[in-house]
Amino acid sequence: QKEVEQDPGPLSVPEGAIVSLNCTYSNSAFQYFMWYRQYSRKGPELLMYTYSSGNKEDGRFTAQVDKSSKYISLFIRDSQPSDSATYLCAMSAGTGKLIFGQGTTLQVKP
Amino acid sequence: DGGITQSPKYLFRKEGQNVTLSCEQNLNHDAMYWYRQDPGQGLRLIYYSQIVNDFQKGDIAEGYSVSREKKESFPLTVTSAQKNPTAFYLCASSIGDRDPTEQFFGPGTRLTVL
Repeated sequence: QKEVEQDPGPLSVPEGAIVSLNCTYSNSAFQYFMWYRQYSRKGPELLMYTYSSGNKEDGRFTAQVDKSSKYISLFIRDSQPSDSATYLCAMSAGTGKLIFGQGTTLQVKP
Repeated sequence: DGGITQSPKYLFRKEGQNVTLSCEQNLNHDAMYWYRQDPGQGLRLIYYSQIVNDFQKGDIAEGYSVSREKKESFPLTVTSAQKNPTAFYLCASSIGDRDPTEQFFGPGTRLTVL
């Protein structure tokens, strides 16, 4: 079993839809949770970062962490074609090493 | 502009050859990382270095080697011992072994074995 599991998709939604991306994990030592966005043939860029449990909102993006269930989510409201990318969850126990999920490919159709 | 550069963008290698991928950063970060990305598998850690002249193996180090002689540079050599080297290689850096562990990524090098 992988430490971090992420549904690879692909996920296709119409423009304006609410998108939900999810990851589950098995290591209870993880404290730092991140979402990276990666456009095709580019390096990933940090989108959201949360520490421990709770919610964090940034514009159209909301990150949720439920440590009791070992489950994190990224919600995208009013999705746009420019949101089409691969979304990678990543986690750390504070050691400097990140453990990544497989990535979910999202396509937002105009 | 501060950032991470990787070169070349595309690299072709014949079987049995060693090749070296370049990674340079001017962010004054202590820690640097090399990842391999294959379709549907996310990022897998090859090697990382938290300080000059020191580095550690990641999850898939076999067939790869690195050096960290300068803070700014962390080259990766893909040796002929790597059985399936065709992949997208990403270099990253972070402030160091502290929280938060945000890593900044370079644009990547796509290696193809002919």
